[in-house]
Amino acid sequence: NAGVMQNPRHLVRRRGQEARLRCSPMKGHSHVYWYRQLPEEGLKFMVYLQKENIIDESGMPKERFSAEFPKEGPSILRIQQVVRGDSAAYFCASSLRQGDNSPLHFGNGTRLTVT
Amino acid sequence: DQQVKQNSPSLSVQEGRISILNCDYTNSMFDYFLWYKKYPAEGPTFLISISSIKDKNEDGRFTVFLNKSAKHLSLHIVPSQPGDSAVYFCAAARSADGQNFVFGPGTRLSVLP
Repeated sequence: NAGVMQNPRHLVRRRGQEARLRCSPMKGHSHVYWYRQLPEEGLKFMVYLQKENIIDESGMPKERFSAEFPKEGPSILRIQQVVRGDSAAYFCASSLRQGDNSPLHFGNGTRLTVT
Repeated sequence: DQQVKQNSPSLSVQEGRISILNCDYTNSMFDYFLWYKKYPAEGPTFLISISSIKDKNEDGRFTVFLNKSAKHLSLHIVPSQPGDSAVYFCAAARSADGQNFVFGPGTRLSVLP
């Protein structure tokens, strides 16, 4: 199955700990996006990356959140010093190219719970 | 400020009938629109898209209509099946800027047998 792979599926962290969420895009896709879904809400854009570059991080909180998509390996969304409000489902998506006729393909998400 | 709105949080339809899900947007620069379906505990699944050069796109039981002047699009599912019961998200983007898709809050569709 060459779909978007996210791990872990579930992650529990205590307040103050760090959370690392990983995403491997579909084979051949070089565009990666991270979205967050809070309970009972829609998907909120966080960041758009291409290999080794952050293209758009307008949806990222200014502090504690960072993302990378290295030349080799998965994309990582890192949340430092987690707080209860970070509890959400985090979805990664990838696309073949930018622009028309290139929809996003989503992984099954990582559900982060901060206790 | 919600740029993409789905004003019906839920919709119930009888099996075999047509389901119509609506979406409105405020940013006239959006030129690429998609519909996604989401089951619980899964990621959204791409259904169908439309670009602003068209006003209709059809794929099997799914048809998307775009009314640019009204900044409105709709997804028609006919005939509706119980397996269509899910949350449907509308998303929009300005393709020239990349694919920072803005999602609506979703509509929960229940297809009753």
